[in-house]
Amino acid sequence: DQQVKQNSPSLSVQEGRISILNCDYTNSMFDYFLWYKKYPAEGPTFLISISSIKDKNEDGRFTVFLNKSAKHLSLHIVPSQPGDSAVYFCAASLWGAGNNRKLIWGLGTSLAVNP
Amino acid sequence: GAVVSQHPSRVICKSGTSVKIECRSLDFQATTMFWYRQFPKQSLMLMATSNEGSKATYEQGVEKDKFLINHASLTLSTLTVTSAHPEDSSFYICSALPPGGNEQFFGPGTRLTVL
Repeated sequence: DQQVKQNSPSLSVQEGRISILNCDYTNSMFDYFLWYKKYPAEGPTFLISISSIKDKNEDGRFTVFLNKSAKHLSLHIVPSQPGDSAVYFCAASLWGAGNNRKLIWGLGTSLAVNP
Repeated sequence: GAVVSQHPSRVICKSGTSVKIECRSLDFQATTMFWYRQFPKQSLMLMATSNEGSKATYEQGVEKDKFLINHASLTLSTLTVTSAHPEDSSFYICSALPPGGNEQFFGPGTRLTVL
């Protein structure tokens, strides 16, 4: 049962345009959402996050939007740059067993930004 | 800030041997660390949550006697793959959670190949 879904395995965008990566979730207990960027054979790098009490968070070229009623969030990158080409993972956070926070991950979207 | 290191970055071992992977938070103290594995073209799968000074919390389906986790200090957690078999070959990644934080910071990963 995939609680965090990234339905687009890949996305191709022209340099300078906007990249929109989508993520849907099913568990209403998630209270914090994060986006990570990952290159092959490396650990993920934290990009941006949003609390469930907010609907938007912006950091430079990156903006995350959260629609709680639709259980949907999206990451906007504008303008897109070739260096943004990577796999982007959506992750949702909740309290797990042993009073620990845990992350549930989507399958990732591979973004290619073409010059 | 928030740098996490892993050692070794790559290890090749014979079937039946044990392999230890270290995860260190370099510039912060982490009461909680996480261990993930990632198979090719798949998402990150949480194996266990490691709390300093207490037993790790394992996810369902992860054998605690096979994947031994020790979180002996606030900056070091180790994962030992005991009696490794070829099916244990994978990319193992650790992350650390700063106190009071929601964002996990990841190490660069360890590629394990069991012959």
